[in-house]
Amino acid sequence: KNQVEQSPQSLIILEGKNCTLQCNYTVSPFSNLRWYKQDTGRGPVSLTIMTFSENTKSNGRYTATLDADTKQSSLHITASQLSDSASYICVVSAASGGFKTIFGAGTRLFVKA
Amino acid sequence: EAQVTQNPRYLITVTGKKLTVTCSQNMNHEYMSWYRQDPGLGLRQIYYSMNVEVTDKGDVPEGYKVSRKEKRNFPLILESPSPNQTSLYFCASSLGEPGRYEQYFGPGTRLTVT
Repeated sequence: KNQVEQSPQSLIILEGKNCTLQCNYTVSPFSNLRWYKQDTGRGPVSLTIMTFSENTKSNGRYTATLDADTKQSSLHITASQLSDSASYICVVSAASGGFKTIFGAGTRLFVKA
Repeated sequence: EAQVTQNPRYLITVTGKKLTVTCSQNMNHEYMSWYRQDPGLGLRQIYYSMNVEVTDKGDVPEGYKVSRKEKRNFPLILESPSPNQTSLYFCASSLGEPGRYEQYFGPGTRLTVT
């Protein structure tokens, strides 16, 4: 069964600190993995996309990693800011006679001053 | 500005009263989707459309209808809403299949059915 699991469910950190969010998936055959940021009351916005051959992708203070062998991805946020408070959603796509996209439940990040 | 718009943003209604949530995109995208988001669950696709007059069921289509008469619009219709359709709804659009192309999401519609 295609699944995407994210951990932790929620996380509280102090402003300026780093954090890492995890995503494990069982989607097959793997096509690509995206990380989205969803601010409260807004729709998700894409941060990064990685295909099978990529193992690191950065977008400013956000760095995503992918280990296709262990089917794990992480999103590392450096020097967190209050505006990083949001939900972060891992989305994995399978390519099999078309594309199937599976969303994780997200990690809710709270950055405190 | 390239965007996906939804209306209304908030809606409280009663069981059985038909409603429509509108969705419009100005990016000339072929593919449009409706999702619902519930606590503790990932977004689940309700219906999608690969082009004008072409629609298909997603993972949770029961109780919903859609239409795609124009490329830019993709309304979601609840003919007889029930409390289990209380949820946060998102419309999204992309150049093609979401697994291949980036999806752009609307701001969401929070629906409460009493």
